[in-house]
Amino acid sequence: DVKVTQSSRYLVKRTGEKVFLECVQDMDHENMFWYRQDPGLGLRLIYFSYDVKMKEKGDIPEGYSVSREKKERFSLILESASTNQTSMYLCASSAQGYEQYFGPGTRLTVT
Amino acid sequence: GEDVEQSLFLSVREGDSSVINCTYTDSSSTYLYWYKQEPGAGLQLLTYIFSNMDMKQDQRLTVLLNKKDKHLSLRIADTQTGDSAIYFCAEGGSQGNLIFGKGTKLSVKP
Repeated sequence: DVKVTQSSRYLVKRTGEKVFLECVQDMDHENMFWYRQDPGLGLRLIYFSYDVKMKEKGDIPEGYSVSREKKERFSLILESASTNQTSMYLCASSAQGYEQYFGPGTRLTVT
Repeated sequence: GEDVEQSLFLSVREGDSSVINCTYTDSSSTYLYWYKQEPGAGLQLLTYIFSNMDMKQDQRLTVLLNKKDKHLSLRIADTQTGDSAIYFCAEGGSQGNLIFGKGTKLSVKP
Protein backbone atom coordinates (compact mmCIF):
# COMPACT_ATOMS: atom_id res chain seq x y z
CA ASP A 1 0.00 0.00 0.00
CA VAL A 2 1.19 3.49 -0.89
CA LYS A 3 2.58 5.40 2.06
CA VAL A 4 3.80 8.97 2.57
CA THR A 5 4.55 9.96 6.14
CA GLN A 6 5.32 13.34 7.65
CA SER A 7 7.30 13.76 10.85
CA SER A 8 4.68 15.72 12.82
CA ARG A 9 0.94 16.30 12.57
CA TYR A 10 1.09 19.47 14.68
CA LEU A 11 4.01 21.78 15.37
CA VAL A 12 4.29 25.04 17.30
CA LYS A 13 7.42 27.15 16.84
CA ARG A 14 8.54 30.63 17.79
CA THR A 15 9.36 33.43 15.36
CA GLY A 16 12.98 33.21 14.23
CA GLU A 17 13.40 29.48 14.93
CA LYS A 18 14.78 27.13 12.31
CA VAL A 19 12.13 24.53 11.46
CA PHE A 20 12.56 21.16 9.76
CA LEU A 21 9.61 19.31 8.24
CA GLU A 22 10.41 15.77 7.17
CA CYS A 23 8.65 13.63 4.59
CA VAL A 24 9.31 9.99 3.79
CA GLN A 25 7.81 7.83 1.04
CA ASP A 26 8.15 4.07 0.65
CA MET A 27 7.16 3.74 -3.01
CA ASP A 28 10.55 4.39 -4.64
CA HIS A 29 9.08 7.46 -6.36
CA GLU A 30 11.39 9.81 -8.23
CA ASN A 31 9.37 12.96 -7.60
CA MET A 32 8.61 14.62 -4.31
CA PHE A 33 6.74 17.86 -3.61
CA TRP A 34 6.08 20.32 -0.81
CA TYR A 35 2.88 22.40 -0.79
CA ARG A 36 1.32 24.76 1.65
CA GLN A 37 -2.42 25.00 2.01
CA ASP A 38 -4.20 28.12 3.23
CA PRO A 39 -7.95 28.85 3.38
CA GLY A 40 -9.16 30.45 0.16
CA LEU A 41 -5.79 29.97 -1.56
CA GLY A 42 -5.84 26.22 -2.19
CA LEU A 43 -2.53 24.36 -2.55
CA ARG A 44 0.55 26.30 -3.54
CA LEU A 45 3.74 24.57 -4.61
CA ILE A 46 6.82 25.55 -2.60
CA TYR A 47 9.56 23.25 -3.94
CA PHE A 48 9.82 19.94 -5.72
CA SER A 49 12.50 17.44 -6.55
CA TYR A 50 12.94 15.04 -9.46
CA ASP A 51 15.83 13.08 -8.05
CA VAL A 52 18.28 12.87 -5.18
CA LYS A 53 20.10 16.17 -4.65
CA MET A 54 17.89 17.85 -7.27
CA LYS A 55 15.51 20.65 -6.38
CA GLU A 56 13.29 23.06 -8.29
CA LYS A 57 11.51 26.17 -7.07
CA GLY A 58 7.75 26.15 -7.14
CA ASP A 59 5.44 29.13 -7.01
CA ILE A 60 6.30 30.40 -3.51
CA PRO A 61 9.87 29.36 -2.54
CA GLU A 62 10.76 32.53 -0.62
CA GLY A 63 11.62 31.84 3.01
CA TYR A 64 12.01 28.11 2.42
CA SER A 65 14.72 25.68 1.38
CA VAL A 66 14.73 21.93 0.81
CA SER A 67 17.03 18.96 1.06
CA ARG A 68 16.91 15.59 -0.67
CA GLU A 69 19.89 13.47 0.32
CA LYS A 70 18.09 10.13 -0.10
CA LYS A 71 15.46 9.14 -2.63
CA GLU A 72 12.82 8.39 -0.01
CA ARG A 73 13.23 11.54 2.09
CA PHE A 74 12.45 15.18 1.27
CA SER A 75 12.89 17.84 3.91
CA LEU A 76 11.44 21.35 3.99
CA ILE A 77 13.41 23.91 5.99
CA LEU A 78 12.20 27.25 7.29
CA GLU A 79 15.46 29.06 7.96
CA SER A 80 13.88 31.67 10.25
CA ALA A 81 10.21 31.03 10.87
CA SER A 82 7.79 33.93 10.61
CA THR A 83 4.13 34.22 11.56
CA ASN A 84 3.08 34.36 7.90
CA GLN A 85 4.42 30.82 7.53
CA THR A 86 1.70 29.51 9.82
CA SER A 87 -0.05 27.04 7.54
CA MET A 88 -0.80 23.41 6.69
CA TYR A 89 2.16 21.82 4.92
CA LEU A 90 1.56 18.87 2.64
CA CYS A 91 4.16 16.55 1.16
CA ALA A 92 3.49 14.40 -1.91
CA SER A 93 5.37 11.94 -4.08
CA SER A 94 4.83 10.51 -7.55
CA ALA A 95 6.38 8.29 -10.15
CA GLN A 96 7.32 10.19 -13.30
CA GLY A 97 4.20 11.51 -15.04
CA TYR A 98 1.71 9.90 -12.69
CA GLU A 99 -0.60 10.81 -9.86
CA GLN A 100 0.69 12.26 -6.62
CA TYR A 101 0.23 10.61 -3.25
CA PHE A 102 -0.03 12.83 -0.23
CA GLY A 103 1.02 12.58 3.39
CA PRO A 104 -1.37 13.51 6.23
CA GLY A 105 -0.02 17.06 6.51
CA THR A 106 1.72 19.08 9.22
CA ARG A 107 -0.15 21.97 10.76
CA LEU A 108 2.53 24.50 11.70
CA THR A 109 1.82 27.44 13.98
CA VAL A 110 4.47 30.14 14.35
CA THR A 111 3.96 32.41 17.35
CA GLY B 1 -0.60 30.41 -17.80
CA GLU B 2 -1.81 27.19 -16.28
CA ASP B 3 -4.91 27.60 -14.14
CA VAL B 4 -7.68 25.46 -12.70
CA GLU B 5 -10.98 26.99 -11.58
CA GLN B 6 -13.73 25.46 -9.48
CA SER B 7 -16.57 26.80 -7.38
CA LEU B 8 -15.83 27.02 -3.66
CA PHE B 9 -18.97 25.58 -2.10
CA LEU B 10 -21.70 23.03 -2.83
CA SER B 11 -24.50 21.94 -0.52
CA VAL B 12 -26.72 18.92 -1.19
CA ARG B 13 -29.16 16.71 0.72
CA GLU B 14 -28.27 13.15 1.65
CA GLY B 15 -29.32 10.78 -1.13
CA ASP B 16 -29.16 13.43 -3.87
CA SER B 17 -26.48 13.53 -6.57
CA SER B 18 -23.63 16.02 -6.28
CA VAL B 19 -21.93 17.53 -9.29
CA ILE B 20 -18.66 19.37 -8.83
CA ASN B 21 -17.39 21.30 -11.83
CA CYS B 22 -13.92 22.38 -12.88
CA THR B 23 -12.36 24.22 -15.81
CA TYR B 24 -8.70 24.02 -16.75
CA THR B 25 -6.43 25.78 -19.22
CA ASP B 26 -3.71 23.36 -20.37
CA SER B 27 -5.08 21.18 -23.15
CA SER B 28 -1.88 19.12 -23.24
CA SER B 29 -2.54 17.48 -19.85
CA THR B 30 -2.44 13.70 -20.21
CA TYR B 31 -4.42 13.01 -17.07
CA LEU B 32 -6.89 15.01 -15.00
CA TYR B 33 -7.45 14.17 -11.37
CA TRP B 34 -9.95 14.46 -8.54
CA TYR B 35 -8.68 14.47 -4.97
CA LYS B 36 -10.69 14.42 -1.73
CA GLN B 37 -9.59 16.02 1.53
CA GLU B 38 -11.38 15.22 4.77
CA PRO B 39 -11.04 17.64 7.72
CA GLY B 40 -7.52 17.72 9.15
CA ALA B 41 -6.19 15.17 6.66
CA GLY B 42 -4.03 15.09 3.55
CA LEU B 43 -5.35 14.72 0.03
CA GLN B 44 -6.57 11.33 -1.12
CA LEU B 45 -6.62 10.45 -4.81
CA LEU B 46 -10.26 9.77 -5.66
CA THR B 47 -10.16 9.10 -9.37
CA TYR B 48 -8.55 10.26 -12.58
CA ILE B 49 -9.36 10.30 -16.27
CA PHE B 50 -7.10 9.96 -19.26
CA SER B 51 -7.41 12.95 -21.57
CA ASN B 52 -8.62 10.93 -24.56
CA MET B 53 -11.65 9.65 -22.61
CA ASP B 54 -15.05 11.32 -22.30
CA MET B 55 -16.29 9.50 -19.26
CA LYS B 56 -15.12 7.23 -16.48
CA GLN B 57 -17.35 5.51 -13.96
CA ASP B 58 -16.19 4.02 -10.68
CA GLN B 59 -19.01 2.84 -8.39
CA ARG B 60 -20.80 6.01 -7.22
CA LEU B 61 -18.37 8.31 -9.01
CA THR B 62 -18.70 9.47 -12.61
CA VAL B 63 -16.13 11.74 -14.23
CA LEU B 64 -17.08 13.61 -17.40
CA LEU B 65 -14.52 15.35 -19.57
CA ASN B 66 -15.35 17.88 -22.27
CA LYS B 67 -11.99 18.49 -23.86
CA LYS B 68 -13.28 21.09 -26.30
CA ASP B 69 -14.56 23.29 -23.47
CA LYS B 70 -11.77 22.22 -21.06
CA HIS B 71 -14.43 21.26 -18.55
CA LEU B 72 -14.22 18.41 -16.05
CA SER B 73 -16.94 17.31 -13.67
CA LEU B 74 -17.28 14.83 -10.83
CA ARG B 75 -20.69 13.37 -10.10
CA ILE B 76 -21.30 11.55 -6.82
CA ALA B 77 -24.46 9.47 -6.86
CA ASP B 78 -26.50 8.90 -3.68
CA THR B 79 -24.39 11.38 -1.71
CA GLN B 80 -23.81 10.42 1.94
CA THR B 81 -22.76 12.48 4.96
CA GLY B 82 -19.38 10.73 4.75
CA ASP B 83 -18.84 12.41 1.38
CA SER B 84 -18.62 15.80 3.11
CA ALA B 85 -15.12 17.02 2.30
CA ILE B 86 -13.17 19.36 0.06
CA TYR B 87 -12.75 18.13 -3.52
CA PHE B 88 -9.84 19.29 -5.63
CA CYS B 89 -9.56 19.13 -9.37
CA ALA B 90 -5.99 18.96 -10.76
CA GLU B 91 -4.25 18.93 -14.12
CA GLY B 92 -0.68 18.06 -15.00
CA GLY B 93 1.66 21.08 -15.06
CA SER B 94 4.45 21.79 -17.52
CA GLN B 95 7.13 21.00 -14.92
CA GLY B 96 5.79 17.55 -14.02
CA ASN B 97 3.88 18.92 -11.05
CA LEU B 98 0.09 19.15 -10.63
CA ILE B 99 -1.91 22.37 -10.83
CA PHE B 100 -4.75 22.31 -8.30
CA GLY B 101 -7.96 24.25 -8.15
CA LYS B 102 -8.80 25.97 -4.86
CA GLY B 103 -11.15 23.15 -3.89
CA THR B 104 -14.93 22.79 -3.60
CA LYS B 105 -16.28 22.26 -0.11
CA LEU B 106 -19.14 19.77 -0.29
CA SER B 107 -21.62 19.87 2.58
CA VAL B 108 -24.15 17.05 2.83
CA LYS B 109 -27.26 17.76 4.90
CA PRO B 110 -29.16 14.84 6.45
